[in-house]
Amino acid sequence: DAGVIQSPRHEVTEMGQEVTLRCKPISGHNSLFWYRQTMMRGLELLIYFNNNVPIDDSGMPEDRFSAKMPNASFSTLKIQPSEPRDSAVYFCASSLGRDNQPQHFGDGTRLSIL
Amino acid sequence: AQSVTQPDIHITVSEGASLELRCNYSYGATPYLFWYVQSPGQGLQLLLKYFSGDTLVQGIKGFEAEFKRSQSSFNLRKPSVHWSDAAEYFCAVAAGGTYKYIFGTGTRLKVLA
Repeated sequence: DAGVIQSPRHEVTEMGQEVTLRCKPISGHNSLFWYRQTMMRGLELLIYFNNNVPIDDSGMPEDRFSAKMPNASFSTLKIQPSEPRDSAVYFCASSLGRDNQPQHFGDGTRLSIL
Repeated sequence: AQSVTQPDIHITVSEGASLELRCNYSYGATPYLFWYVQSPGQGLQLLLKYFSGDTLVQGIKGFEAEFKRSQSSFNLRKPSVHWSDAAEYFCAVAAGGTYKYIFGTGTRLKVLA
């Protein structure tokens, strides 16, 4: 079975540019999560969707960050404008959304903002 | 508030030696507990999980973990480490009925040949 698929795997861009990260969750999973991983802060939950609806976006750092889930098989995380401090690895995860169902992670997007 | 502590940032063991990675959690009721492994350049892979029942849980790759309520611990063990086990290991806790995982800061394992 295909796991969570993220694209691109690596992104290098200059500050001020718009960045769009993409995620395809595991088929049948109804919960989707975006995380950010940095050395300083570890793994941080940015936003959580359930049945395509954003439930908790309290972890989104600023208005420059936005996330959408137009359907059950696709989500995007957008940063506009990007800043060097946004450099991190961004992970998408999905789960069946019930209490005892674990989250399954994609391989992440390594983002570098110059 | 929930929290997870992994007291060891780095651990080095020789190949073939036994391994124990520590995880302590803070939560009032019985939590859902997880161990994930992250190899370089990859995402987190679930090793094992505990929700209830038998306090000794078996996972993939020969790993096991024991839930000890009295010590608020969920330590990960492996009797004989392989060089391919070198990675970073994360413990996570989720309160029952919530989606939010609280991750520990991770333990980076180095395996000596």
